[in-house]
Amino acid sequence: DAGVIQSPRHEVTEMGQEVTLRCKPISGHDYLFWYRQTMMRGLELLIYFNNNVPIDDSGMPEDRFSAKMPNASFSTLKIQPSEPRDSAVYFCASSLSRGGGGGYEQYFGPGTRLTVT
Amino acid sequence: GENVEQHPSTLSVQEGDSAVIKCTYSDSASNYFPWYKQELGKRPQLIIDIRSNVGEKKDQRIAVTLNKTAKHFSLHITETQPEDSAVYFCAASMNYGGSQGNLIFGKGTKLSVKP
Repeated sequence: DAGVIQSPRHEVTEMGQEVTLRCKPISGHDYLFWYRQTMMRGLELLIYFNNNVPIDDSGMPEDRFSAKMPNASFSTLKIQPSEPRDSAVYFCASSLSRGGGGGYEQYFGPGTRLTVT
Repeated sequence: GENVEQHPSTLSVQEGDSAVIKCTYSDSASNYFPWYKQELGKRPQLIIDIRSNVGEKKDQRIAVTLNKTAKHFSLHITETQPEDSAVYFCAASMNYGGSQGNLIFGKGTKLSVKP
């Protein structure tokens, strides 16, 4: 398996622009997580899905952030409008639940480094 | 909600020495405790995990111990090598049956192994 795939790997945009980050989980995994990593705040969970349904979005900073999972193999995280404080590395991770034969391990993608100027 | 504290924030050891990183958690319902290693510019990668029904787990040079009563768990790396240099994160979550909770991460420990 190719692992979790994220695109783009790097994104530089100007304040006020819309940014869309993409994630393809490991095939067959039924959980998908979006994290943000900064030096100040560390690794923070933004939102996670189970079988394409959002379970907990309490980590989403504000209404400028939205996430979707239209099918089992694709998810997006959108920021509109973007602000300089959104600059961070955004990771997507997936896992296979116990019910599906897994054991809670989360596998991270390579991340998207977002810079908002 | 769950809160995970991790210490120390930086750790420097000589090659061949042991390294120990400690974490405490607040929610007694947490039952899954993974450790991730993140090299500079790379993704976090799971190196070992432990579930609450186990007190200790080993995998070659790394081991994790869990004290449920005290709500703390530790990572032990023996015979450290320069390639062990990285940031290590502990985490905690609550999982039951087929349901999986989110991971709450510690702030990380930057381990430097000097040759």
